[in-house]
Amino acid sequence: QQPVQSPQAVILREGEDAVINCSSSKALYSVHWYRQKHGEAPVFLMILLKGGEQKGHEKISASFNEKKQQSSLYLTASQLSYSGTYFCGTEWGYSGAGSYQLTFGKGTKLSVIP
Amino acid sequence: DTGVSQDPRHKITKRGQNVTFRCDPISEHNRLYWYRQTLGQGPEFLTYFQNEAQLEKSRLLSDRFSAERPKGSFSTLEIQRTEQGDSAMYLCASSLALLRAGDGYTFGSGTRLTVV
Repeated sequence: QQPVQSPQAVILREGEDAVINCSSSKALYSVHWYRQKHGEAPVFLMILLKGGEQKGHEKISASFNEKKQQSSLYLTASQLSYSGTYFCGTEWGYSGAGSYQLTFGKGTKLSVIP
Repeated sequence: DTGVSQDPRHKITKRGQNVTFRCDPISEHNRLYWYRQTLGQGPEFLTYFQNEAQLEKSRLLSDRFSAERPKGSFSTLEIQRTEQGDSAMYLCASSLALLRAGDGYTFGSGTRLTVV
C-alpha cells in the first residue's frame, strides 16, 4: 500500500525551513528518503530503521515514529540546491524482518527560490 | 565504481514490438531492483533479485514483462508486445542485502520508453 506524503508541493525562499511528512497504514520496518531532480535518477538521502531515531544529513534530518507509522523529513535553512521532488519509500515489516521491497509515495515537489 | 548503469537511455518502439533493457549494478551490491516511474508519480516496484534469484515480482506486473539476472551480475528487463501504457521511465537500482544506517538504494539514470 502506497504511503501518503504531504504536502504535495511547497515553495520556500532561501533560508526557510520545511517539513515533509510520510505516513503508512501498514507496520513499517524502515523508511527511506530520496530526492529527485527533473530528468535525473532519485538520490538516496537517508534511511531510518525501526526505533524512532532521528537521523541527520547536513541540514536535512528525519524522524521515524514506528507507533504512528509516520516519518518526517526536516529541511533547515534551505538552499537553492534543495529544489526537487522528495520521495519517501517504505518497507513493510513482519515477524521482525523487512519485506525487502520499497513502496514509494507520490512525492513532494519542493521549490526553493532566491 | 561508476554507479548503476542503464542502457539504452531512450527507446522509441512501435506498439506490439518487444524491447529489452539492460542494467549493470554496483559490483558489490547483491540486490537489484526494477522500478517503473510515470510523470508525477513515485517509482513503482516491478521486481527484485538477490544475486541471480528473482525473489519477488509485483502482482501488478503483466506476463509480458520478464526479468533475468544471469550469474548475479547485470540484469535485463524484457517487455513483449509493447502497449502504449508501457510508456514510462524504467529505473534500475541496486543495494547491499543488509541495509544499515547510511545504506540505501543507488538508482541508475533510467531508460525512457516511448511506445508509439
